[in-house]
Amino acid sequence: AQSVTQLGSHVSVSEGALVLLRCNYSSSVPPYLFWYVQYPNQGLQLLLKYTSAATLVKGINGFEAEFKKSETSFHLTKPSAHMSDAAEYFCAVTTNQAGTALIFGKGTTLSVSS
Amino acid sequence: DTEVTQTPKHLVMGMTNKKSLKCEQHMGHRAMYWYKQKAKKPPELMFVYSYEKLSINESVPSRFSPECPNSSLLNLHLHALQPEDSALYLCASSLRLSTDTQYFGPGTRLTVL
Repeated sequence: AQSVTQLGSHVSVSEGALVLLRCNYSSSVPPYLFWYVQYPNQGLQLLLKYTSAATLVKGINGFEAEFKKSETSFHLTKPSAHMSDAAEYFCAVTTNQAGTALIFGKGTTLSVSS
Repeated sequence: DTEVTQTPKHLVMGMTNKKSLKCEQHMGHRAMYWYKQKAKKPPELMFVYSYEKLSINESVPSRFSPECPNSSLLNLHLHALQPEDSALYLCASSLRLSTDTQYFGPGTRLTVL
């Protein structure tokens, strides 16, 4: 079975500071990993996806994530936070095994202060 | 275009009412999903349709009844709901039921009185 752990339910940064949101996964087969963002009262928007093509994945809005198999991690980063980045972020995992659903982490709330 | 639309945006219903949520996509996706999301929680999978056939039912109570009339449309029929069913209901679609990216709609905010 697959699982995802997001370390830190709430992360606070200042505008212009580095954003680091942590995600560790567990999977017995090669994983497919996703980061989604959710703004208040909205649906989930895909930030980026790892499919084994490249370990460093670039997404929208300046975000990127690096897949590290040795650490079973897929942390999300952005060099400089913007006020508009304040939202809920979900890491998710699935595999290509039949019947595997998309498993979400519990989410991390990102706050950005001026 | 990666848009999934959902109607209505908000819904308030009594416990004896019957209502339906609607989801539509025109991306040619053949897998469609219903999720339930409570405040400050991740989405919980309810149902999955693949090629218009129910593929996954995550032990959802029978007061929730899904329907997939065609490859672009997904409905969720609601009847005799409880106040604890109040939540954001999200629809998503993907090209196939596999590792393909799921694209989410904006959700329907449901309140059961």
